[in-house]
Amino acid sequence: QSALTQPRSVSGSPGQSVTISCTGTSSDVGAYSYVSWYQQNPGKAPKLMIYDVNKRPSGVPDRFSGSKSGNTASLIISGLQAEDEADYYCCSYAGSYVFATGTKVIVL
Amino acid sequence: QVQLVESGGGVVQPGKSLRISCAASGFRFNTFAMHWVRQAPGKGLEWVAFISYDGSKKYYADSVKGRFTVSRDHSKSTVYLQMNSLTAEDTAVYYCARDFIAAVVNWFDPWGQGTLVTVSS
Repeated sequence: QSALTQPRSVSGSPGQSVTISCTGTSSDVGAYSYVSWYQQNPGKAPKLMIYDVNKRPSGVPDRFSGSKSGNTASLIISGLQAEDEADYYCCSYAGSYVFATGTKVIVL
Repeated sequence: QVQLVESGGGVVQPGKSLRISCAASGFRFNTFAMHWVRQAPGKGLEWVAFISYDGSKKYYADSVKGRFTVSRDHSKSTVYLQMNSLTAEDTAVYYCARDFIAAVVNWFDPWGQGTLVTVSS
């Protein structure tokens, strides 16, 4: 499996919405609903934000949501807050786990 | 609360071995599978290994298969990663993560703070 592709960075002002794309192939992202998203603050451990494309673990704010269309999964952050500035990684499972390259979310 | 504390990282020469540990607390260790995930400096995440709750199933990334071995000790609530024949490409922060149980495929949460392994002569 090849690494999934994400934009290097996305930015938005507080209160706006940002969308992070995660592009794979018809063999991974496109084939299954097995995509998760992780938030990582500098020097910290990652945290699970979304799993199974669009499910939120307990405690994750509902401004975080996920979706998928074809070979691309997306993480949407609505009502952007300063504390959302972090790196975000998507992960797909298709017999093995593969992570994407990561996206830095910048809050302007 | 759930705590995962990695230890044992350090500087090791190419070709040598190192064992890192992850001590778990705050949950019933013997009922959860565990994972190791690594992150090279300034790079993204890479899944490394999985061990089932009872240690009977172990899976590895192709990049470490045959060189790394995952194990667990329930008496110590600890999971280990034995790393042999290390190369510079193995330099990374190694995180352990508890299995997050979903409907079909499980994920990783929570994570420990990581331990840095540097392979250098």
